[in-house]
Amino acid sequence: AQKITQTQPGMFVQEKEAVTLDCTYDTSDPSYGLFWYKQPSSGEMIFLIYQGSYDQQNATEGRYSLNFQKARKSANLVISASQLGDSAMYFCAMRASYNAGNNRKLIWGLGTSLAVNP
Amino acid sequence: GAVVSQHPSRVICKSGTSVKIECRSLDFQATTMFWYRQFPKKSLMLMATSNEGSKATYEQGVEKDKFLINHASLTLSTLTVTSAHPEDSSFYICSASAGVRIQETQYFGPGTRLLVL
Repeated sequence: AQKITQTQPGMFVQEKEAVTLDCTYDTSDPSYGLFWYKQPSSGEMIFLIYQGSYDQQNATEGRYSLNFQKARKSANLVISASQLGDSAMYFCAMRASYNAGNNRKLIWGLGTSLAVNP
Repeated sequence: GAVVSQHPSRVICKSGTSVKIECRSLDFQATTMFWYRQFPKKSLMLMATSNEGSKATYEQGVEKDKFLINHASLTLSTLTVTSAHPEDSSFYICSASAGVRIQETQYFGPGTRLLVL
């Protein structure tokens, strides 16, 4: 069964420091993609970064980078130089090449609540 | 990134009435749209997936007659909550995708907060 696990319900970080949000996944499919989204208190879901299973390098997008360890099946999100506006829920999600049906829906983790302290 | 709008952002209705929520992709053609429900401090729960021009695929446990989904064009999908009851009160959020490739990103609307009195 395909599954995403985020083991940190809540995290605190000091402003300007880096923080790592954990995500492990489970799939038997060799082809899959991993996504991270941010959800502020306003409710909108903001796409942050994507990592494909065959990508040779870790994905980076501005202050966001993905620490992709395929053998460990982990795809941790690293936020560098945290800002107050980074306080939000962060969700890890996965899409594999095989899902029931043809729509390849995303499998979601339970999320991690990040609070950035001034 | 691509822009998805959702309307209304908030709605309060009486029990027994129907509520329609619109989801629009503003700058791309969305072959697939997804409707989610989210309870406070919980993850997203997929309700259904809709492809343009075809019937929606509902997740197990979601009543298709209660949550009517229409994806009439490549830029518009609607969710109608029929005969709403207080237990339908929730945050509903849609997403749109230009395709179903693995790397295809789902872009989300801002969500709709529904309160049924």
